Amino acid sequence: DADVTQTPRNRITKTGKRIMLECSQTKGHDRMYWYRQDPGLGLRLIYYSFDVKDINKGEISDGYSVSRQAQAKFSLSLESAIPNQTALYFCATSDSQGLAKNIQYFGAGTRLSVL
Amino acid sequence: SQQGEEDPQALSIQEGENATMNCSYKTSINNLQWYRQNSGRGLVHLILIRSNEREKHSGRLRVTLDTSKKSSSLLITASRAADTASYFCATVPGGGSNYKLTFGKGTLLTVNP
Repeated sequence: DADVTQTPRNRITKTGKRIMLECSQTKGHDRMYWYRQDPGLGLRLIYYSFDVKDINKGEISDGYSVSRQAQAKFSLSLESAIPNQTALYFCATSDSQGLAKNIQYFGAGTRLSVL
Repeated sequence: SQQGEEDPQALSIQEGENATMNCSYKTSINNLQWYRQNSGRGLVHLILIRSNEREKHSGRLRVTLDTSKKSSSLLITASRAADTASYFCATVPGGGSNYKLTFGKGTLLTVNP
């Protein structure tokens, strides 16, 4: 089984709909991240969480919200989806100690299309 | 904004050849990492080089770092078709907030059999 699991893998939705992307991990890491990737661009950070009670905005948080339900679960919500949120979304985790906290482990991604 | 910028954007080589990708960045770093992404999949960490290191090896990978030029290179020797992927550099800033990775736009490597 994958260490970082994202569901769903693919989703098509309509403008204005609320949608939630889920991420769970079995790596025991405290830190979790949500990124989006657009064609020809690198990854951009949406939100990150260092533990259940510590959630922070990233580079492009407008239009998104997150919930850290447990150490192992971090979900991303689009309250009212719009077409320019069509992208590939990745969840990642990292350890919180030493040099290892800099290395991130990624899920397989959720491909989201907003029509 | 992107911290790292990879060059070239795309690279096509024959199996067995070496592939070199470059990354330039703008501000001081704690470390620089390279990740690989197979088409439509998640990124996989390849190698990390600290700011006080100049060269690092891992199997067929060789990474160099020149902090005076704010640049890094990734060399893949004796490439294989399975190396076909996008390669991203990512930097961790110097200073206390060394948690956040900033990714470049990537180099798409195609290795032809």
